[in-house]
Amino acid sequence: AQSVAQPEDQVNVAEGNPLTVKCTYSVSGNPYLFWYVQYPNRGLQFLLKYITGDNLVKGSYGFEAEFNKSQTSFHLKKPSALVSDSALYFCAVSFSGGYNKLIFGAGTRLAVHP
Amino acid sequence: GAVVSQHPSRVICKSGTSVKIECRSLDFQATTMFWYRQFPKKSLMLMATSNEGSKATYEQGVEKDKFLINHASLTLSTLTVTSAHPEDSSFYICSANAELAGGPVEQYFGPGTRLTVT
Repeated sequence: AQSVAQPEDQVNVAEGNPLTVKCTYSVSGNPYLFWYVQYPNRGLQFLLKYITGDNLVKGSYGFEAEFNKSQTSFHLKKPSALVSDSALYFCAVSFSGGYNKLIFGAGTRLAVHP
Repeated sequence: GAVVSQHPSRVICKSGTSVKIECRSLDFQATTMFWYRQFPKKSLMLMATSNEGSKATYEQGVEKDKFLINHASLTLSTLTVTSAHPEDSSFYICSANAELAGGPVEQYFGPGTRLTVT
């Protein structure tokens, strides 16, 4: 079955330190992978996506993610965290070969402390 | 980029009444829109895929007669929660597929609608 796992409910990091939010997936065929961020009572904002090509994808607000096919992972990273990065982060996969029917992970709450 | 709006952003209704939520693509046409439901501190659950001019495709476990979806135009999809009950209280988010000039199809999300049934 197609699925996305975000093993951490919450990630705590000090401002200025690097952050990683983990995501692994299980999907048949070639996955399209996405990261979204959600602030309280708001919709989702797109951060970045992997479709094909370079495994390291750079996105909005200094975030990047690395597609690792052998480990079926797509971890989100940022070299230096900001307090304003505190939010709920969702990893998602599209398994239809296009941009339909996104399957979302459970979400990881990122808390960046001053 | 493409903008998706939802109206209302917040609604409170009494148990047994029906509530309509609108999802609009403001600067592009969307043949396909999606409706998600999000419980507090939980992930998004896809409820249905809304296709312009045809019946919506519902995910397993979602009641078609409870959550009526109408996609009457290329810029508007509506979700009507019929005979609402307190357990229908949730955050409802829509998204729309957009094929912008020079780029691939992407999915854009609305800001969400907070429904509270009393």
